[in-house]
Amino acid sequence: GAVVSQHPSWVICKSGTSVKIECRSLDFQATTMFWYRQFPKQSLMLMATSNEGSKATYEQGVEKDKFLINHASLTLSTLTVTSAHPEDSSFYICSAKFAGPYTEAFFGQGTRLTVV
Amino acid sequence: EDQVTQSPEALRLQEGESSSLNCSYTVSGLRGLFWYRQDPGKGPEFLFTLYSAGEEKEKERLKATLTKKESFLHITAPKPEDSATYLCAVQGQGGSEKLVFGKGTKLTVNP
Repeated sequence: GAVVSQHPSWVICKSGTSVKIECRSLDFQATTMFWYRQFPKQSLMLMATSNEGSKATYEQGVEKDKFLINHASLTLSTLTVTSAHPEDSSFYICSAKFAGPYTEAFFGQGTRLTVV
Repeated sequence: EDQVTQSPEALRLQEGESSSLNCSYTVSGLRGLFWYRQDPGKGPEFLFTLYSAGEEKEKERLKATLTKKESFLHITAPKPEDSATYLCAVQGQGGSEKLVFGKGTKLTVNP
């Protein structure tokens, strides 16, 4: 399967600071990338969908100004959690899709964010 | 609104004891149904895509089947390394590329 690399795997930051998470498709071009959040023992909650070169589409209830998404190239998308607070602590996962309608999405290994 | 319900929430099996996981879905036109495996603290690992009723796919001890209302993931003679959470997701015919996930089934295989 295709490889999606997410970095960092875990990060601890102080309340009020910003954190950037990177998601790279290593061996394919990803026209669409997705960002999810997962709470303990819960399923994946889609936060936003991003297409290369255009603004991300955020799901209802997700703050655009807090979770900044940039999809500057066909292999890289970033999620920046701005002015992080303890309630932002969670497991964030990205996924990437090939071009075309009938294709699966491949996931990164996830980032555990802890805000103290 | 697209919905996915997985059952059971948790399943304990003895090594070698075959069983099935269920994924029931409602979607306005199915483009694809996906099965993923997720280990603790990791991202989901892709297993199968099913596109139409009657389709079946196999990989080692796993076999996925699809009807118009549900999908099953059959696990034959499981081993302890098959222990994980199995997630089901659907993609509808609407313009969005997004997947709608179920809450998963946590499978534990005891030696």
